[in-house]
Amino acid sequence: DTAVSQTPKYLVTQMGNDKSIKCEQNLGHDTMYWYKQDSKKFLKIMFSYNNKELIINETVPNRFSPKSPDKAHLNLHINSLELGDSAVYFCASSPAGGLLYEQYFGPGTRLTVT
Amino acid sequence: GDSVTQMEGPVTLSEEAFLTINCTYTATGYPSLFWYVQYPGEGLQLLLKATKADDKGSNKGFEATYRKETTSFHLEKGSVQVSDSAVYFCALEASNTGKLIFGQGTTLQVKP
Repeated sequence: DTAVSQTPKYLVTQMGNDKSIKCEQNLGHDTMYWYKQDSKKFLKIMFSYNNKELIINETVPNRFSPKSPDKAHLNLHINSLELGDSAVYFCASSPAGGLLYEQYFGPGTRLTVT
Repeated sequence: GDSVTQMEGPVTLSEEAFLTINCTYTATGYPSLFWYVQYPGEGLQLLLKATKADDKGSNKGFEATYRKETTSFHLEKGSVQVSDSAVYFCALEASNTGKLIFGQGTTLQVKP
């Protein structure tokens, strides 16, 4: 019954590797998001997709590439991982873009780059 | 640009104490304001929101009032419980962009 799920929950990898984090929502929402939370708990939006189309793209290195195969999934692929990429990554969804609607967050993926 | 500032944590209280977590913002126009809560090991959940000046958001005993004159949205609860221990985030919607801009979060620890 999980509304927004992410896999994996924990990811430990070495610098230079390429990794993906998957997100799925079963709420029927049109809009999905990726956020990054750093070690000081500071949370910042990275991307937003509406019906598989990119609508928000913050200043994020192009090593980060979101992919939305359908509106229920938004995956995050990261190339050439760096130490500074270590963080907790949260996926979220909402019925539509704009903040008339609540965003529902996944449990997070803790990425550790060594 | 738009920004949100919260009081530094951690905030440690005894059960049944009164809670205030300060939040101030800088924004163009009239943003909507939110409080989100993150329990240990979980994602964020919307706690309450206010969409215009003088609106009061409330949920689970928590309240916050949108004060345009002081650009503030302080979170209050009259009597905290151990189960309220979490990280609390103040946020605003950035100028109709659909983006949430978060404060740095305030950790609340409630001791029995």
